[in-house]
Amino acid sequence: KAGVTQTPRYLIKTRGQQVTLSCSPISGHRSVSWYQQTPGQGLQFLFEYFSETQRNKGNFPGRFSGRQFSNSRSEMNVSTLELGDSALYLCASRDRDPRSNEQFFGPGTRLTVL
Amino acid sequence: KNQVEQSPQSLIILEGKNCTLQCNYTVSPFSNLRWYKQDTGRGPVSLTIMTFSENTKSNGRYTATLDADTKQSSLHITASQLSDSASYICVVSAVDSSASKIIFGSGTRLSIRP
Repeated sequence: KAGVTQTPRYLIKTRGQQVTLSCSPISGHRSVSWYQQTPGQGLQFLFEYFSETQRNKGNFPGRFSGRQFSNSRSEMNVSTLELGDSALYLCASRDRDPRSNEQFFGPGTRLTVL
Repeated sequence: KNQVEQSPQSLIILEGKNCTLQCNYTVSPFSNLRWYKQDTGRGPVSLTIMTFSENTKSNGRYTATLDADTKQSSLHITASQLSDSASYICVVSAVDSSASKIIFGSGTRLSIRP
């Protein structure tokens, strides 16, 4: 089985721009979670989608949004980028049992905001 | 409040030496505890998972322990190698009848020096 894939792997944007990141989960996985990771902050939960519905949301401003498609692929959008949005954005998928907690992580998208 | 605290924040040891990383948690209702290894710029990869009834589990040179009474876990690395340089993240899951919640520690940054 192919693992979780994320595109692009690296991205450079300027303040004020918007960005869309993509995540393809492991085949058969219906839950996709997004995390922001910055040095010293650890993994910060953004949101989780299951069957195209947002199930959980972290404490991030409304500039961060996401969606999930019928094939379980997910996208995350950040509008009006700020310097502090520079981070590694990780996507993780879980299998169809909503109470399953083993998450499989993708390689991440490294976003740099100039 | 569900929390996971890891110590130390960072650690430097010489190649070939052993080390122990700590994780304390206040998560309820406890389901399981997982240790992840994250190489720089990559997504975390699961090392071990421990449930309430398990107190020791090994994965090669990695040995995790769990004391459910004191709500503490440790990850012991034996005969460290340069490739062990990474961040190690403790993750605790809480599961009730309807959903699961995953709480991440902020990680321990381990550097192995030749």
